Amino acid sequence: GAVVSQHPSWVICKSGTSVKIECRSLDFQATTMFWYRQFPKQSLMLMATSNEGSKATYEQGVEKDKFLINHASLTLSTLTVTSAHPEDSSFYICSARRQTHQETQYFGPGTRLLVL
Amino acid sequence: QKEVEQNSGPLSVPEGAIASLNCTYSDRGSQSFFWYRQYSGKSPELIMSIYSNGDKEDGRFTAQLNKASQYVSLLIRDSQPSDSATYLCAVNIGTGGFKTIFGAGTRLFVKA
Repeated sequence: GAVVSQHPSWVICKSGTSVKIECRSLDFQATTMFWYRQFPKQSLMLMATSNEGSKATYEQGVEKDKFLINHASLTLSTLTVTSAHPEDSSFYICSARRQTHQETQYFGPGTRLLVL
Repeated sequence: QKEVEQNSGPLSVPEGAIASLNCTYSDRGSQSFFWYRQYSGKSPELIMSIYSNGDKEDGRFTAQLNKASQYVSLLIRDSQPSDSATYLCAVNIGTGGFKTIFGAGTRLFVKA
């Protein structure tokens, strides 16, 4: 299979704090991981593409200084939401592509962030 | 024009019927197409991938691709209440098909 995990699954934090979300590919190596955000009743919005060993590519309108992405290994990417505000409350989902069969993305279970 | 378009629904079908979900895309060069199912509050899970024109069957699911018409569909036979979810159409675009664009999704309700 192709299993992707995320941690934590839920996080509640105070406004102004930073939150780190981890995305791991458990049984395959992923050269590329993607970070999405999904607001209630809306579709997935790609935030950034994370490539192992290089800087992430951010989509238009996504602040790279606010959403820090690190892809330090072939199985781990992290997203840090810095100085979180209530409007950052959302469902954050990562996905990963295998080194082989790169057409398909496999999604993690998502992290629900609530900023008070 | 959106890059991947789906009817948002909701699409309501009775249990046992065939549910037909449709998707159109704008990038003629796209080669890889996917259907994902997303239950409320959960992340998407891959149902089908299709790369060639024609039909591809997997159990109760059949994906259909027509590149000339830039059209992808998903048929669900013998629909069950557990199939009630949002179905996302996804298309790989760009050089090397590197970027995946998702449609807004179609909400399906299967009535028992």
